[in-house]
Amino acid sequence: EDQVTQSPEALRLQEGESSSLNCSYTVSGLRGLFWYRQDPGKGPEFLFTLYSAGEEKEKERLKATLTKKESFLHITAPKPEDSATYLCAVLGGSQGNLIFGKGTKLSVKP
Amino acid sequence: SAVISQKPSRDICQRGTSLTIQCQVDSQVTMMFWYRQQPGQSLTLIATANQGSEATYESGFVIDKFPISRPNLTFSTLTVSNMSPEDSSIYLCSVEGSGTDTQYFGPGTRLTVL
Repeated sequence: EDQVTQSPEALRLQEGESSSLNCSYTVSGLRGLFWYRQDPGKGPEFLFTLYSAGEEKEKERLKATLTKKESFLHITAPKPEDSATYLCAVLGGSQGNLIFGKGTKLSVKP
Repeated sequence: SAVISQKPSRDICQRGTSLTIQCQVDSQVTMMFWYRQQPGQSLTLIATANQGSEATYESGFVIDKFPISRPNLTFSTLTVSNMSPEDSSIYLCSVEGSGTDTQYFGPGTRLTVL
């Protein structure tokens, strides 16, 4: 069964405390892995697309990496404005649709 | 990336009634997608809407409950019919970026059914 699992469900960090979010997946025929940020009351905002193992993408304090089984979203020296829910999604599988994980809710305290 | 708007942004409805959600895109797109995000759950695809053809529904979703229109390449509607409290969710539309597999999302419609 095609599946996306994100961990942890929630993460509390102090400002400046670096950490990583995990997205593990089982899907046949991966066509891409996507990271989104979702603020309360808003739609998901696109961050990154990764297509193949070993690929990395960076944007400000965020860096996404991909292996054959999982992806990590590394947050370096986070700030309170990085607080949001981060969603991982994979494209592929038997239906060829975008399959989302439940997300990791990140809180960064000043 | 596309700019997507949705109306209404939120609504509170009575059981048994229907609500139509509108999704407008600032550019022409082939496929539009409708998702549901229930509290504490991941986004779940309801259906894919192509202009000029019937929408394709995912397992667990039926046209009688969630009729979709796609009259042109920039607009779509999703109706939630005969609502019950279990339909309380955020409903999101999305489109694929031109030449990419990346989907871009609208701001969502928060629906509460009493």
